Amino acid sequence: EIVLTQSPATLSLSPGERATLSCRASQSVKDYLAWYQQKPGQPPRLLIYDASNRATGIPARFSGSGSGTDFTLTISSLEPEDFAVYYCQQRSNWPPIFGGGTKVEIK
Amino acid sequence: EVQLAQSGAEVKKPGESLRISCKGSGYSFTNYWISWVRQVPGKGLEWMGRIDPSDSYTNYRASFQGHVTISVDTAISTAYLQWSSLKASDTAMYYCARRLPFGDNVWDYWGQGTLVTVSS
Repeated sequence: EIVLTQSPATLSLSPGERATLSCRASQSVKDYLAWYQQKPGQPPRLLIYDASNRATGIPARFSGSGSGTDFTLTISSLEPEDFAVYYCQQRSNWPPIFGGGTKVEIK
Repeated sequence: EVQLAQSGAEVKKPGESLRISCKGSGYSFTNYWISWVRQVPGKGLEWMGRIDPSDSYTNYRASFQGHVTISVDTAISTAYLQWSSLKASDTAMYYCARRLPFGDNVWDYWGQGTLVTVSS
């Protein structure tokens, strides 16, 4: 199975700051990588699919980049509602795998 | 509006059986695979398996194969996840999710989750 390693585990930032989250795959997943946001008590919410495509209704401050083994989720300017846990997920190889998550917390 | 409505929280004893449900509405149920995802409290997400409602074809992650069964009743647009013999390690939140219309194994609609607690 592919392993997805997310870093950092926790990111402490203030509203208005830029957040940069990393996801590294143990082997190439081409561009078949998605990002999800999860808040406490809620299901995951799809943000980005296929590395750089925003899902329906996702604000433009969320962007994804990368291909192969290295991917980045960028939140250009953190809003109060963006503090949450973020997961990457690959669908290139079987089975679908999620990363361990990055928690974005208020500094 | 697309919705996936899951059944309520369950408390069970080890060895008991259980079936939880996920009812789809607002879309053509048979056109979209449904997946189940596990989240142990305080931990990450694990994909468990999926079903094609059009023909009930299933795929399971190896670590869940033989321990859970995914099924569907298209007459009531409902998918199920069931256990014949629960273990304490099955304690988790379980989510159903519908795949993107144009992408397999990526999910844009999720149920609210069903918390399963297994304790003696």
